[in-house]
Amino acid sequence: QVQLQESGPGLVKPSETLSLTCSVSGGPIGDYYWSWIRQPPGGGLEWIGYVFYSRRTKYNPSFNSRVAISTDTSQNRFSLNLNSVTAADTAVYYCAHLSAANSYIYWGRGIMVTVSS
Amino acid sequence: DIQMTQSPSSLSASVGDRVTITCRTSQAISSSLNWYQQKPGKAPQLLIYATSNLFRGVPSTFSGSGSATEFTLTISSVQPEDYATYYCQQSFSIPHTFGQGTKVEV
Repeated sequence: QVQLQESGPGLVKPSETLSLTCSVSGGPIGDYYWSWIRQPPGGGLEWIGYVFYSRRTKYNPSFNSRVAISTDTSQNRFSLNLNSVTAADTAVYYCAHLSAANSYIYWGRGIMVTVSS
Repeated sequence: DIQMTQSPSSLSASVGDRVTITCRTSQAISSSLNWYQQKPGKAPQLLIYATSNLFRGVPSTFSGSGSATEFTLTISSVQPEDYATYYCQQSFSIPHTFGQGTKVEV
């Protein structure tokens, strides 16, 4: 059973960089797809991107190159960096595992990040 | 991006009712359509993958169907634990996109 746990600051100042980590247990991250998805308060789900085979990435173009996802296979975790944040980036951020059937089976519990000065 | 349109955005149902939620996509996505259930304060949970495959542990009261650009999620007999918000999601192309959600309430 794969388990994911997000961690990072719950408050980020405007124009700064949001950095989150997802720790994975129950399986190695090296051979799979690992994603970040977010949900603003009261809103829907927005796919941010994923990393696969430890270093290949795909991102949502709507983030205009502000985003980077990376892995640390030695720690079995992956990370999200989102720079130049604004209040619009306030959301619950989820990490999730994309299965071979192209569905999100395993999710973290989510972490609320507020962008505010 | 593939646009996802769910309908209705909310519905009221009683225990035992049959409920159908529709998801339309802006272009054909073969069978690359998944359904999730989300309860307040919780992460989404996978119900149906690849249009019609029931994920392990999901009650058989849930079913999915469709193809190309129109898909449906059906709850054959709503139970108290089914009151939640439901999302469709396409994995046919990047970026993966979600419907806006359908809230099923009493």
